[in-house]
Order: sequence, then C-alpha cells, then structure tokens
Amino acid sequence: QVQLTESGPGLVHPSETLSLTCTVSGFSLTGYSVYWVRQPSGKGLEWMGRMRYNGDTSYNSALKSRLSISRDTSKNQVFLKMNSLQTDDTGTYYCTRGGYSSYDYWGQGVMVTVSS
Amino acid sequence: DVVLTQTPPTLSATIGQSVSISCRSSQSLLHSNGNTYLNWLLQRPGQPPQLLIYLVSRLESGVPNRFSGSGSGTDFTLKISGVEAEDLGVYYCVQSTHAPWTFGGGTKLELK
Repeated sequence: QVQLTESGPGLVHPSETLSLTCTVSGFSLTGYSVYWVRQPSGKGLEWMGRMRYNGDTSYNSALKSRLSISRDTSKNQVFLKMNSLQTDDTGTYYCTRGGYSSYDYWGQGVMVTVSS
Repeated sequence: DVVLTQTPPTLSATIGQSVSISCRSSQSLLHSNGNTYLNWLLQRPGQPPQLLIYLVSRLESGVPNRFSGSGSGTDFTLKISGVEAEDLGVYYCVQSTHAPWTFGGGTKLELK
C-alpha cells in the first residue's frame, strides 16, 4: 500500500540547515510528484515545494531562496533542505503525494523545533 | 502567487446541520488543459490532513457522500449535508493550477 514517511532531526539551531527525508513505498517517484507542506504549531498549512515525477522542482516564492528539494529514485526518497533556519520555521513538516488527485496520501509528519 | 480566501474562519454547527465553506481565489483556477485543480482537505486534531474532494467536485474514495464540492473559476464551495461528530476539525482548500500551489487559511468546524 501507499506510504510516505518523513524523517529528520527534531531540533535544529538557529541559522543552521534543516535536512529532511521523505521515504515512499507503494508508488514510483517517476510516476507521481511529491510535495512538502509545513504547519507552524497551531497555524495553517503552508505549501513549500514539489518534486515533480519528471525531476522538475518548484518552490514557494517566500522560501525559494532558502529551499532545495531533490530525490533519489533508486532509494524511493525525496529530500528537503532549507538553510538559515529561524524560530518561525518551527512546526510540523509533511510530505504528501501529488498527481491526478493530489494530496491523497500523507506522511504522519515530523516535528521540527528551531531553538538554541 | 494565487491567494485563496476561506470563509468563515470558524463555523459552529450542531450534529445533523448542513453547512457550507467558501473558498475564493485571486485568479481563475481553470487550467489551460480544461481541468480546475481545486481540492478540499480535512485535518482532524493531531492528524495529518486527509483528502476529501479533488478537481472541485470529485469525491475521494472512502469519503462519505455527505461531502460535496462545487464551483468554478474563482468561487468554490464545500458543503457538508448533515454534520457528524467525526467531521470536526479544520478544512482547507488548496489549488494546484498555478505554481506555486497555495492553501487557503482554513475553516475550523466546531460543535455549537
């Protein structure tokens, strides 16, 4: 069955770089896009960026200068890297599947705290 | 970027009541391929969001048919015909027509 699982550090220091991995199963990264979405605690959802099935990427305009998304299709993994983290980057980070009926499967999310 | 404005921000309902949530877009969500990529999600407390409706009005598999979506262009509506307790949470619209994709601010459905 389709699964997405986020992994990464729970704590990141201010000004450092966040690295997250989304490991997928039950579908191919060359057939479906994967999106990253984040949610500050107690707030709404923010679309961060996507890795398209063909390897193209697109990013939230507000995060574009700090954000990079890549993938390793042989390992069924999509990576997120965001630099210059600040306290308002604290929140839960999700990966979700794109496609015809986008957002049909989600990971459980990984909580990231930015603190010294 | 496309701005999605959801109203109301909070909705109080009794069990069995029918309610509607509006999502208005700052520009038309009709794609050049003829599809309109507007989805509705529900996020229950402590859970990741789940897909309810895609392409404006198509019900995701396993979602009860008391949920329905409608609209076109810039104006969209999610209707719940007979709220049940399990429907409580925050509802989001999201567009995937114009990159970068964007979410609405959310509508919290709570019990009156």
